[in-house]
Amino acid sequence: EVQLVESGGGLVKPGGSLRLSCAASGFTFSSYSMNWVRQAPGKGLEWVSSISSSSSYIYYADSVKGRFTISRDNAKNSLYLQMNSLRAEDTAVYYCARDVLTVRGADWGQGTLVTVSS
Amino acid sequence: QSALTQPASVSGSPGQSITISCTGTSSDVGGYNYVSWYQQHPGKAPKLMIYEVSNRPSGVSNRFSGSKSGNTASLTISGLQAEDEADYYCSSYTSSSTPWVFGGGTKLTVL
Repeated sequence: EVQLVESGGGLVKPGGSLRLSCAASGFTFSSYSMNWVRQAPGKGLEWVSSISSSSSYIYYADSVKGRFTISRDNAKNSLYLQMNSLRAEDTAVYYCARDVLTVRGADWGQGTLVTVSS
Repeated sequence: QSALTQPASVSGSPGQSITISCTGTSSDVGGYNYVSWYQQHPGKAPKLMIYEVSNRPSGVSNRFSGSKSGNTASLTISGLQAEDEADYYCSSYTSSSTPWVFGGGTKLTVL
């Protein structure tokens, strides 16, 4: 069974940093592209960042470019999102999601809440 | 503003059929057969319901079906059930610099 478990969320002040993790199990992590998708309270889904299986290709939404860094450790079956210079508008539940071939978001974690507030 | 346009809400009675539209452009929905639909219940993670316009993942009820015409994709749910009440999001591959775009979401109410 595919499992994606996010962690690392919490309350942080504006301008602060946070590192999210997504622990993967139930599949060969190193073979799949992964994504971070967020959802602000009461709002819709917003794609944040994607990383290919070998980290060769990385993409960011304009809203986080230059502030967030996606990475992965295939030996540890883990996906990460380093978030710097956090703003109030970054407040959201952050989900990690697995791509399967051409299917984006075939599997999702349960999400971790990030709250940016003074 | 979302890249793909969905109605904010739709409703239907148990047993009826409803259709949710998802309108994009020739750079996304109209240009590729990589449209997906996700169901999200309150406080839960999204769940893939339809991929590549009309394919259902294993375990998804055949009451859910997808289609596309031009720049508009559609999700149809037949034989509405109470548990279908949820938010539904479409997404598409896009040729823009953003590799994954979502619709704004549609809240389905089962009356």
